[in-house]
Amino acid sequence: AQTVTQSQPEMSVQEAETVTLSCTYDTSESDYYLFWYKQPPSRQMILVIRQEAYKQQNATENRFSVNFQKAAKSFSLKISDSQLGDAAMYFCAYRIENNDMRFGAGTRLTVKP
Amino acid sequence: NAGVTQTPKFRVLKTGQSMTLLCAQDMNHEYMYWYRQDPGMGLRLIHYSVGEGTTAKGEVPDGYNVSRLKKQNFLLGLESAAPSQTSVYFCATTDGVRGPRSYEQYFGPGTRLTVT
Repeated sequence: AQTVTQSQPEMSVQEAETVTLSCTYDTSESDYYLFWYKQPPSRQMILVIRQEAYKQQNATENRFSVNFQKAAKSFSLKISDSQLGDAAMYFCAYRIENNDMRFGAGTRLTVKP
Repeated sequence: NAGVTQTPKFRVLKTGQSMTLLCAQDMNHEYMYWYRQDPGMGLRLIHYSVGEGTTAKGEVPDGYNVSRLKKQNFLLGLESAAPSQTSVYFCATTDGVRGPRSYEQYFGPGTRLTVT
């Protein structure tokens, strides 16, 4: 079975500090894409960052970066200089060759002022 | 430019009733997806479509049917609703083209469905 595991149901971080959200996945595919999505209380899903599995370089988007370990099937998200607006549910996801998508159960991030 | 819209936004059904959720997009995307979101379980893929006239099963397809008669619309049907189908349903689209924004999914605002 193809699965995505987010082992941290909840995380909290102090404003301006750094936090890392964990994600592991299980797929037998060699070509796939990985994503982190953010869902604020408004319920709208927003793409945070994406990573192509064939690229060894870790993706970065401003304060967001990933640590992609292909052999370990690990894809963690690091948020630097956390802001109050970062508070949300964060979902890890991957897309495989046949266009199937799998999401993790999510991590609720709280940012303390 | 509306992006991805979902109709209706809220609905309450009685067990055994049927309904259809409509997803519409004006982004000219080839791929469309239906998910359900339940507390503690994230998003689970119900069905998806890689183009007009095509559909495929996702992770939790039982109890749902879909149709993609037009490229811009993707319908999700519940023939005989059950309380276990109480959930928030999201539609998403993606262009399916390799490039800088490959496979980024654009989501609709969601439909909250309650089955009593």
